Amino acid sequence: DSGVTQTPKHLITATGQRVTLRCSPRSGDLSVYWYQQSLDQGLQFLIQYYNGEERAKGNILERFSAQQFPDLHSELNLSSLELGDSALYFCASSTGDTNQPQHFGDGTRLSIL
Amino acid sequence: GQSLEQPSEVTAVEGAIVQINCTYQTSGFYGLSWYQQHDGGAPTFLSYNGLDGLEETGRFSSFLSRSDSYGYLLLQELQMKDSASYFCAVTSSGGSYIPTFGRGTSLIVHP
Repeated sequence: DSGVTQTPKHLITATGQRVTLRCSPRSGDLSVYWYQQSLDQGLQFLIQYYNGEERAKGNILERFSAQQFPDLHSELNLSSLELGDSALYFCASSTGDTNQPQHFGDGTRLSIL
Repeated sequence: GQSLEQPSEVTAVEGAIVQINCTYQTSGFYGLSWYQQHDGGAPTFLSYNGLDGLEETGRFSSFLSRSDSYGYLLLQELQMKDSASYFCAVTSSGGSYIPTFGRGTSLIVHP
């Protein structure tokens, strides 16, 4: 158990809809990262938050947004969903120090019909 | 930009030793990490190399040569449960110190 909690585990929705994915980081970790993993693909970095502030942005679409709340949990919002958004979405947390490992949640599997 | 290359698939038999290579191109290299991911599961951290040389953690070891932009993960005494995908990830100033992951190597362990 990594200590990172993601909900929901599975999400099935239709094109054009909007969903929210939630992540609670490991106790003591200030940094949260969001990744997208499509079939047979590596982990594509989306965005990082540190102690409530956006710290780094990756290949995140304009239709996607995220935030980190004062209690350090984070939400990833995906809107105007397209078939190609079907993927595993992982949240990871760390202390924020560069040489510290990331601890991943079990992911949310998003299926767009 | 950054790029990483690792083999897409490696096969081995139980009890054997296998090496998964990773070459990278980046600016401002900081460190190389390895993660294991079982099918559909969460990636889990295995090792980190910030300096040249070998890091050993039980049956797993990881090596880094910064001058060659190269690293590898060595798995010894392979077990069936080691069948998984293995990702190398590079951290660099060019990437805002966010780990950039390779596409992963699928390790298949046969009995």
